[in-house]
Amino acid sequence: EAGVTQFPSHSVIEKGQTVTLRCDPISGHDNLYWYRRVMGKEIKFLLHFVKESKQDESGMPNNRFLAERTGGTYSTLKVQPAELEDSGVYFCASSQIQGAPAFFGQGTRLTVV
Amino acid sequence: TQLLEQSPQFLSIQEGENLTVYCNSSSVFSSLQWYRQEPGEGPVLLVTVVTGGEVKKLKRLTFQFGDARKDSSLHITAAQPGDTGLYLCAGTYKYIFGTGTRLKVLA
Repeated sequence: EAGVTQFPSHSVIEKGQTVTLRCDPISGHDNLYWYRRVMGKEIKFLLHFVKESKQDESGMPNNRFLAERTGGTYSTLKVQPAELEDSGVYFCASSQIQGAPAFFGQGTRLTVV
Repeated sequence: TQLLEQSPQFLSIQEGENLTVYCNSSSVFSSLQWYRQEPGEGPVLLVTVVTGGEVKKLKRLTFQFGDARKDSSLHITAAQPGDTGLYLCAGTYKYIFGTGTRLKVLA
């Protein structure tokens, strides 16, 4: 069975551009989480989907970030327009039951220059 | 802001030694998770502890949840080079992660 997959693995964009990150959770996992690690800091929660609904988006930094999970399958996280401080590694995780993100993807390393 | 402080931040030990990593908070958590992360990979869940005072064992790893559910520890017996990695604790209140302990086990 495939694990959580994220695409792309790396992305380098210029400040002001738009980037869309994709996460494919493990099939059947209703819970999907996005996290971010900025260099030197701990992993920070961004938001949590239950199926297609946003259960908790309190960690989203600002309105330049938009997460969607249409149909309750894969999810996208769009950053528009990107700023330098958005650089970091974005992780996606999924779980069958709510409470703890059990399975993480390998992350997308975003660099904004 | 809820914080999970881990100590030590870095640890370098010889193969065969024992070690303990700590995860502390001023907040009560309904459960705590421990993960290990290797370079270029996402965190891998090792264990979830739920009940205050709970002890769970995973081969040479022993996890303990504090009685008040504010802290946890990870003890590794006879560490091996394969244990090298970043150890993270996380609490399910707002799904926050600890600051991490980077462990290196030398052969």
